[in-house]
Amino acid sequence: EVQLVESGGGVVRPGGSLRLSCAASGFTFDDYAMSWVRQAPGKGLEWVSGINWNGGTTAYADSVKGRFIISRDNAKNSLYLQMSSLRGEDTAFYHCARRSAWHLDYWGQGTLVIVSS
Amino acid sequence: QSALTQLPSASGSPGQSVTISCTGTSSDVGGYNYVSWYQQHPGKAPKVMIYEVSKRPSGVPDRFSGYKSGNTASLTVSGLQAEDEADYYCSSYAGSNIVVFGGGTKLTVL
Repeated sequence: EVQLVESGGGVVRPGGSLRLSCAASGFTFDDYAMSWVRQAPGKGLEWVSGINWNGGTTAYADSVKGRFIISRDNAKNSLYLQMSSLRGEDTAFYHCARRSAWHLDYWGQGTLVIVSS
Repeated sequence: QSALTQLPSASGSPGQSVTISCTGTSSDVGGYNYVSWYQQHPGKAPKVMIYEVSKRPSGVPDRFSGYKSGNTASLTVSGLQAEDEADYYCSSYAGSNIVVFGGGTKLTVL
């Protein structure tokens, strides 16, 4: 069974940093690209970032470019999102998702990031 | 990277059909056959219902169908059931390894 479990969320002050992790299991992790998608409470889905199978290709939404870094460790079956210069508008549930071609076929339940002073 | 356009709400009675639309541009929806649709119930993670415009993952009822014409994609839910009440999001590949989502449509089963 495919499982994606996010962790690392919490409350952080504006301008602060946070690192999210996503532990993957139930599939061959390095066969798949992965993505981060966020959802502000009561709002819609926003694609944040994606990474290919070996980490050689990454992409970011304009809203986070230059502030967030996506990475992966295939030996640990883990996906990461390093977030810095956090703003109030970054407050959201952050989901990791497995990418198959250009759709997201499995999603984690998400970890909540609150940016507040 | 502009969000795709969806109407905020749609509704239908049990047994009826409802179509949800998603409008983009030639740089996303119109440029690639990589439109997908996600269903999200409250407090749950999204679930892919349609991918590559019209393909259904295993386990998704054939009441769900997808179509694209030009820069607009559509999701049709036929034979509406109570459990279809949820938020629906479209998504498209937009080139340069970028993905964009629509703003979401809340489907109400009357």
